[in-house]
This record gives sequence, C-alpha cells and structure tokens, in this order.
Amino acid sequence: GAVVSQHPSRVICKSGTSVKIECRSLDFQATTMFWYRQFPKQSLMLMATSNEGSKATYEQGVEKDKFLINHASLTLSTLTVTSAHPEDSSFYICSAREGGLYEQYFGPGTRLTVT
Amino acid sequence: GQQLNQSPQSMFIQEGEDVSMNCTSSSIFNTWLWYKQDPGEGPVLLIALYKAGELTSNGRLTAQFGITRKDSFLNISASIPSDVGIYFCAGVRDSGAGSYQLTFGKGTKLSVIP
Repeated sequence: GAVVSQHPSRVICKSGTSVKIECRSLDFQATTMFWYRQFPKQSLMLMATSNEGSKATYEQGVEKDKFLINHASLTLSTLTVTSAHPEDSSFYICSAREGGLYEQYFGPGTRLTVT
Repeated sequence: GQQLNQSPQSMFIQEGEDVSMNCTSSSIFNTWLWYKQDPGEGPVLLIALYKAGELTSNGRLTAQFGITRKDSFLNISASIPSDVGIYFCAGVRDSGAGSYQLTFGKGTKLSVIP
C-alpha cells in the first residue's frame, strides 16, 4: 500500500517552454500533497504544500507564478514549471499524506532538464 | 529553512558490520520518520516513530525516538550491499491547517564494502 507515482520520470525541454509533472496516489486518498526539489548531493527542499481543493501554500523564495500547483482531486496533484530556464533543471519529487496520518509517501521523482 | 543535524554525513563499512546514525534538533517534533533514498529515486519510508522513547524495528533496522522528542537514531544490523544509499531523518510538525510538513536532515550516505 501507500504507492505514489509520478509522470514523467524524465523530461527534457527547451528554455521558455512549460512542463507539467503529475503526481498520483494510487491506493489511498491524499488530503495533502507536497512538492520538493532536490539538487545533487543535497537534501529535499520543500517548495509547496497543497490540500485538495485549496490553493497551494508556497515556501519562502518559491515563485508561485512560475511553479503552478493544482490539487484538483484526492489522488492527483500537478506541478507546472512555466517558462522554464536552465536553472530550473533539477530533480522534482512529490509526496502524499493521507488525512489523520503523519507519514508522507514519496513518488519516484522527475528529472527535469532545461536546455 | 530549518534542518535537522544528522550524522555522520557519510560512512564506509564492511559488509556484515552494524551501522548507527542519528539526528538531533533544537525543536520538538510530534513524529520522527526515517527514509532511504537510492540514486535517481524518491525516498522510501523505513520507520515511523510516534512516542517519546519509542523503539521500533523493521527487519534489520531499529530506530528510537528520543525521550525529549528532539533526537532519534537508526541502527542497521549485519549490513548487506543493498543497504547502500542515503538515509534521511525527518521530523514532523504541524505547519498549520493540518499540513504536517517534514523537516529533513542532510542525510547520511552509506557505502558497504563487500
């Protein structure tokens, strides 16, 4: 149980284009989903928290107009990187939490490369 | 943002040896979680600790939640090559509206020499 999927696993895009990453909880209802960014050899950095049906809460320094998050259902959240630039290249990981529980279950991550 | 102090940063051990790593914080957390991350993958939950002083096992893994709720350790017994990876501790706190965000340690990179 507690499986989270992400799609795509890898994406290469050109500078200036937008990329959408999907995060799905496959066997539970995720009342809260989180989006993280991870640089090489570093820990995970929380970008935003989203509750189903509500606007996402962004961490300080994360541009909400650049990283659009939608959590339209209890099993799906999407992160759209708008007008991507090479500095947005990174490993993006989502996680999901079921209501009433503290544990977060992570997706396998998406490697974004902006050329 | 705030991070937990996790040590050691890295360790090289012989296959079959026991491993110990720990995390400390100046803040109290409701829950401590231990994750393992393989290269190019997302973290996988290993153990969750809910009560101060709690000792929990998962196979060869044992973790304890400090009595002050400000620290935790993870032990791996009889290490095997597939234990290689980065281990993260994470403290859970209520950031408001029931969001329960995680605060991560910087990770312990474990290498096992066959």
